[in-house]
Amino acid sequence: KQEVTQIPAALSVPEGENLVLNCSFTDSAIYNLQWFRQDPGKGLTSLLLIQSSQREQTSGRLNASLDKSSGRSTLYIAASQPGDSATYLCAVDPQGGSEKLVFGKGTKLTVNP
Amino acid sequence: EPEVTQTPSHQVTQMGQEVILRCVPISNHLYFYWYRQILGQKVEFLVSFYNNEISEKSEIFDDQFSVERPDGSNFTLKIRSTKLEDSAMYFCASRVYAGANVLTFGAGSRLTVL
Repeated sequence: KQEVTQIPAALSVPEGENLVLNCSFTDSAIYNLQWFRQDPGKGLTSLLLIQSSQREQTSGRLNASLDKSSGRSTLYIAASQPGDSATYLCAVDPQGGSEKLVFGKGTKLTVNP
Repeated sequence: EPEVTQTPSHQVTQMGQEVILRCVPISNHLYFYWYRQILGQKVEFLVSFYNNEISEKSEIFDDQFSVERPDGSNFTLKIRSTKLEDSAMYFCASRVYAGANVLTFGAGSRLTVL
C-alpha cells in the first residue's frame, strides 16, 4: 500500500529565504507526482507535476525534483515571500490500474515579513 | 483559465439527513473524482467516475454514498444519511484522461454534520 510522508509538518522562515520541502513515498511504481498548494479553508491548487520519467520541473520560483528509485521528491522555493504562506501537499499517482492520488499530510509553511 | 466549480461552499445539516454536493467539472474532462479532507487529516480518495459509471472506490465509499452525472454537466455526491464523522471538506476533481495528466480540483464544499 502506497504511503506518502512529508517532512517537516510545519516550517517558519523569514522572507527572502530559500527553502526545501520534502516528500517521500513507499512504492516507486508511480505515473507521476504532483505538488499542490492549499490555503486555509480553500481548495487545492496544482503547482507542479513531474512525470515518472522526469527528474525535475520548474515554474517561476518553484522547482520540484523527483528521484523515483529512492522514493523522494523535493519542492524548492526560492526567495520566499509572505504570500507563499500555505500548506504544501505532495501526491503520487500510482501505476497498476488505480486512479486515486495518494496524498501526504502536507507541510504548513509560514513566511514572516 | 477553466475551473472546477463546487456548490454549496458550506452546508450545515443534522445527523441522518441527506446531503447532495454538486460539481461542474471542466467541460472537456472525462474523468471525475471526489476526495475528502477531515480537518487536520490527509486528503483521501473517495471515488472515481468515468463513462457514467464508478471506475474505482475506496473503503470509505460505502452504501451511504452515491455519485451520478445526471445531465452531462453536473457531477453529484449524495450522502444518504449523514453521520457526525462525515463532517469534512469534500473536493471534486477532474482530468482529461487518467494517468499522466494534471488533476484539477474545485474549491471544496465544507460539510458540517450536527
